[in-house]
Amino acid sequence: EAGVAQSPRYKIIEKRQSVAFWCNPISGHATLYWYQQILGQGPKLLIQFQNNGVVDDSQLPKDRFSAERLKGVDSTLKIQPAKLEDSAVYLCASTPPGRPYNEQFFGPGTRLTVL
Amino acid sequence: QKEVEQNSGPLSVPEGAIASLNCTYSDRGSQSFFWYRQYSGKSPELIMSIYSNGDKEDGRFTAQLNKASQYVSLLIRDSQPSDSATYLCAVPSSGTYKYIFGTGTRLKVLA
Repeated sequence: EAGVAQSPRYKIIEKRQSVAFWCNPISGHATLYWYQQILGQGPKLLIQFQNNGVVDDSQLPKDRFSAERLKGVDSTLKIQPAKLEDSAVYLCASTPPGRPYNEQFFGPGTRLTVL
Repeated sequence: QKEVEQNSGPLSVPEGAIASLNCTYSDRGSQSFFWYRQYSGKSPELIMSIYSNGDKEDGRFTAQLNKASQYVSLLIRDSQPSDSATYLCAVPSSGTYKYIFGTGTRLKVLA
């Protein structure tokens, strides 16, 4: 958890509103991931970045979710418009350079509640 | 659809006992396997990685991998109440770094 910063930690919105989450991985970590974790389930990968480029976004609901990573450092994940089923914890993870199998380390997460 | 399966539990063990957590996976090409611990309200924390068949020990934790049978397990020796958490198994799809997580096993260590 230490080293990957996320904000906000909690967010409550009404359905159909927009929301954005921010992630700042550990300096030098080229690979960044966004996950969605619904209560009682394991995290599900939404999108993977390698530097500025998208490696995998096959599970990102692109009609409402978008993500970007400018300059290969910070990343934002946006939901517009939000639905009730988007209530979840959104986790950002990154991989330190030199790890043999891309071990991932998570930030504290943002808990989103959609009313 | 590649899958990772875990018994959701709860698995209850007395303090000082060995807790055994199991995970099976469907992708025969997977080469690396990870165990994460997640306390309630917290994010997952990496506790073990294993890449080769056999056992890997780290303190009170031992990971066991059997690629032929497609399972990976985590043993926690001398279980403590502080080990009470959900343990997530993660297996990258072969040829990628895309983790597939199981639903997790909730462990309760009884004092």
